[in-house]
Amino acid sequence: QVQLQESGPGLVKPSETLSLTCTVSGGSISPYYWGWMRQPPGKGLEFVGWVYYTGTTSYNPSLKSRVVLSLDTSKSQFSLKVTSLSAADTAVYYCARAMDSKPFDIWGQGTMVTVSS
Amino acid sequence: EIVLTQSPGTLSLSPGERATLSCRASQTVRRSYLAWYQQKPGQAPRLLMYDASSRATGIADRFSGSGSGTDFTLTISRLEPEDFAVYYCKQYGTPPVTFGQGTRLEIK
Repeated sequence: QVQLQESGPGLVKPSETLSLTCTVSGGSISPYYWGWMRQPPGKGLEFVGWVYYTGTTSYNPSLKSRVVLSLDTSKSQFSLKVTSLSAADTAVYYCARAMDSKPFDIWGQGTMVTVSS
Repeated sequence: EIVLTQSPGTLSLSPGERATLSCRASQTVRRSYLAWYQQKPGQAPRLLMYDASSRATGIADRFSGSGSGTDFTLTISRLEPEDFAVYYCKQYGTPPVTFGQGTRLEIK
């Protein structure tokens, strides 16, 4: 059974960079898409981006200038970096998996990130 | 990007009743690549439907999806107590992936 687990700091200061990692267990990195979504408190879901097992990436245009996704197949991990943080980036961040031409079907439990000084 | 508008915002029904949730897209969803998720408080979203009308693994057959083009529907034939949650539609046919704002299904 494939499981995903997010890890990273729960509190980050404004203007700093957030780094989150998602660890994949019970399955292979290939041939899947590995994505990140976020959900501000009390609000809906927002797509952040995905990284394909080949390393190809795609980002939400609204975040593209501040987001970088990467993959470490040797560790079965993929990572998210968000720069120039503001309070608007406060959210639960989820990692998830998708097959080609399919929606994200397996999700991590989510990790709450608060941007505050 | 494709904007998805869900209606109603909140739906108040009783167990045993039928629920009909709507998702309208601002432009055609390519190949009906439309999914539905269920989210309960404090939990990650759970995939219910994909490709508009295919049930995900392990999803009860009281859930069904329909639609094409720009209009899609999620139907829950007879509500069980565990079905009261927030439901999101999502299109994955045209980048970027986009979500609707959600419909809250609450107990009447």
